[in-house]
This record gives sequence, structure tokens and C-alpha cells, in this order.
Amino acid sequence: EADIYQTPRYLVIGTGKKITLECSQTMGHDKMYWYQQDPGMELHLIHYSYGVNSTEKGDLSSESTVSRIRTEHFPLTLESARPSHTSQYLCASSDESGAEGEQYFGPGTRLTVT
Amino acid sequence: GESVGLHLPTLSVQEGDNSIINCAYSNSASDYFIWYKQESGKGPQFIIDIRSNMDKRQGQRVTVLLNKTVKHLSLQIAATQPGDSAVYFCAEVNWANNLFFGTGTRLTVIP
Repeated sequence: EADIYQTPRYLVIGTGKKITLECSQTMGHDKMYWYQQDPGMELHLIHYSYGVNSTEKGDLSSESTVSRIRTEHFPLTLESARPSHTSQYLCASSDESGAEGEQYFGPGTRLTVT
Repeated sequence: GESVGLHLPTLSVQEGDNSIINCAYSNSASDYFIWYKQESGKGPQFIIDIRSNMDKRQGQRVTVLLNKTVKHLSLQIAATQPGDSAVYFCAEVNWANNLFFGTGTRLTVIP
């Protein structure tokens, strides 16, 4: 089991609310990622980070923002949630010194915006 | 751009039979690929990887084959078990060690 955690697991929220999805890992990994996944579909990278104070946008444009103040923590924020943000959000981390590309995933947060 | 795609969205197999899941990729410069398994309600889990200097790699009950000529990957699962039921993704690793996932194949094992 990978030591990467996401909270909440499920979230139903109204349009216009600000939300933060939490992701933490205890493996000391430098690189962390956020993916968006619609049911039965592929994962799309929306943000990643090489380490503290590093944030990069992924290949799928997203209205969300991320921060990386601590190595183990990589929260994702939506300032004003909309129904189009309804999706599953998966956080992952990797150790650059380990098997290249092998990413450890959290269980995901399923977000529904009403 | 990079794209990774799977030939079939669903696959049903009898328990004990072998399963073959296929994947096509478009970037001929790609040199590293990974197969992930995603069970319902969970994040993807690493199964096996392969580099472009290899044609075949074996793990426990799984084998990945790489055909660079036609840009095709396959994942073979021997003696498929009910616990193998999941969605399987192939992913291409780019220069920044980021993953590009293809559309998953849902494997259903019939007891």
C-alpha cells in the first residue's frame, strides 16, 4: 500500500463555493501530481510539482490552483466551483531516484458540484 | 503531441483463461511505458513497465510486449482471476517523467 492520502474521499458542494482537496504523502517523494478523471475515462494531468515552491501546469487546462509549501503536502483549490468541475481528482507522487515514472496514487476525491 | 489509446474499451474472460489487453501509442520517440491497474474506488496501481530497448518483460503472471515497429503494447495476464477485474491503463512517460494515459480497458473476469 502506498502512503499517500486524500481527503475528502467524496464531496458534494454547491456552485460558487471555494473548495480545497487535500493530498499528503509520507514517502518523502519530491514530485507530486494531480490528475482529473471522468468515470471510465483516462487520467489527465492538471498540475505537478518538482518539490517545495515548485508548481507546473499539466496537459489539461484547469481552473484549479495548487501550492507546495511542504514536501509532503500538495493541496488543490477551486476558488469557485462549477458543475463542469464534477469529476474524480487523483493525487500521486513519485521518487525520482526510484523506478522512473512509477507514480503512487491516492484513492481519489470524487467531487460533485450541484 | 503525445497520445496513447487502447483498442477495446471492455474485455470479458473466463476465470483461468489468459487475458490480452492492447494499447497503441503515437509518439515514436517514446522510450518508456507503464501499465496501471485501477480497481473500483481506488487510484491506479503500478503493474509493470518496459523500456523501448526491450521487446518483452515478465512479472508475476503478467507479461508486457512492445512492438516498436507498429507502436503497440500489450499486457498479457496468465490464468486470470476474479481479483484481476479492473480497468487497465497503459501510460507513456515523457521527458519530464510525466505520464500520459490512454483510455482504459475494463477487464471483467467471469467465474
